[in-house]
Amino acid sequence: EAQVTQNPRYLITVTGKKLTVTCSQNMNHEYMSWYRQDPGLGLRQIYYSMNVEVTDKGDVPEGYKVSRKEKRNFPLILESPSPNQTSLYFCASRLAGSSYEQYFGPGTRLTVT
Amino acid sequence: ILNVEQSPQSLHVQEGDSTNFTCSFPSSNFYALHWYRWETAKSPEALFVMTLNGDEKKKGRISATLNTKEGYSYLYIKGSQPEDSATYLCAFHGGSQGNLIFGKGTKLSVKP
Repeated sequence: EAQVTQNPRYLITVTGKKLTVTCSQNMNHEYMSWYRQDPGLGLRQIYYSMNVEVTDKGDVPEGYKVSRKEKRNFPLILESPSPNQTSLYFCASRLAGSSYEQYFGPGTRLTVT
Repeated sequence: ILNVEQSPQSLHVQEGDSTNFTCSFPSSNFYALHWYRWETAKSPEALFVMTLNGDEKKKGRISATLNTKEGYSYLYIKGSQPEDSATYLCAFHGGSQGNLIFGKGTKLSVKP
């Protein structure tokens, strides 16, 4: 089944404790992206990747890191999480080009206390 | 900063009503306009990807139109059903980088 998977789905952590949210897709998509969703603010892009070893900042990259060592995986790293990073996170992927729809993962609900 | 606006913010209709929402986006450097349906506790699912001015797309009771010259797209739902209740997102794809810029969505509630 074609899909984007994220793990964990739910995470409660404390300020300053490094964490990684994994994202994997099995559709051979070039383009992958991370978003955060906050009430009243809509989906905001954190980082994106056009292909292996090619990553770039989105609209709200501060406090996050990513890597793209393999085409299928695009982990999101929070080196020192803070309470303002409490949010719902979505990973997404699609083929390169303008006419392809984007597929979203199931979301990760992160709470930083 | 590119701006994608959706209106209305929320909409409450009765079962059987037809409804429509608007997405406004920059009219320059247009590559594509995406529509997504986002049900509560799920992740967004693609409805349409529209690339050509004048495009009209249809999926069942849902259809969309695109005007790239004036920078707007309409999403129509004919004969709304309770299962249509969701947030409908549009996203503008402008430029070769491939980023999608999302609007804040229109939340539709259909009462039986």
